[in-house]
Amino acid sequence: GAVVSQHPSRVICKSGTSVKIECRSLDFQATTMFWYRQFPKQSLMLMATSNEGSKATYEQGVEKDKFLINHASLTLSTLTVTSAHPEDSSFYICSAYTGGRSHEQYFGPGTRLTVT
Amino acid sequence: KNQVEQSPQSLIILEGKNCTLQCNYTVSPFSNLRWYKQDTGRGPVSLTIMTFSENTKSNGRYTATLDADTKQSSLHITASQLSDSASYICVVQRTGRRALTFGSGTRLQVQP
Repeated sequence: GAVVSQHPSRVICKSGTSVKIECRSLDFQATTMFWYRQFPKQSLMLMATSNEGSKATYEQGVEKDKFLINHASLTLSTLTVTSAHPEDSSFYICSAYTGGRSHEQYFGPGTRLTVT
Repeated sequence: KNQVEQSPQSLIILEGKNCTLQCNYTVSPFSNLRWYKQDTGRGPVSLTIMTFSENTKSNGRYTATLDADTKQSSLHITASQLSDSASYICVVQRTGRRALTFGSGTRLQVQP
């Protein structure tokens, strides 16, 4: 199946700094990518929908100025957590939509963010 | 409200045994239903995807069923292995939307 990568896989940062997470579709073009957040023993929560060449659509309750999303190309979307706080510590997962009739979304391996 | 509910929340079985996980949904209009396996600290991996017209689909030892009339699905795991220990997430997609609605998952632990 299609491959989606995330970088970094783990990151530890100090409170108040910003962290950028990359999501790449390695062997297909993704017009749409999704960003999720997952707390321990809970399911994925959709944060935002990222469309190539346009502004991201954020879910209710997600601060767009805090979680900056850029979808600069058909294979890359980035999530920047600005002025990170310890409560932003979480597992962040992206998925890429292949389009067409397959309806398929492929998930990245996730990024573990720890804010100290 | 569009929801996906899974049961049981967690399950422990012995290696080699079979098990069945349940999923009920109220998502409408329905496009497709997926089952994903998520290992701890990893992203979800697709097991099956079924549209309205499909009522069963297999992927190795995993067999998913779908009853679109009662809005229920199940995932049956045959001859479980230690590597089956993971969370299994039922996900439903609405027609015309790319975003997915996730269930809370069933945490399966297979013991030797």
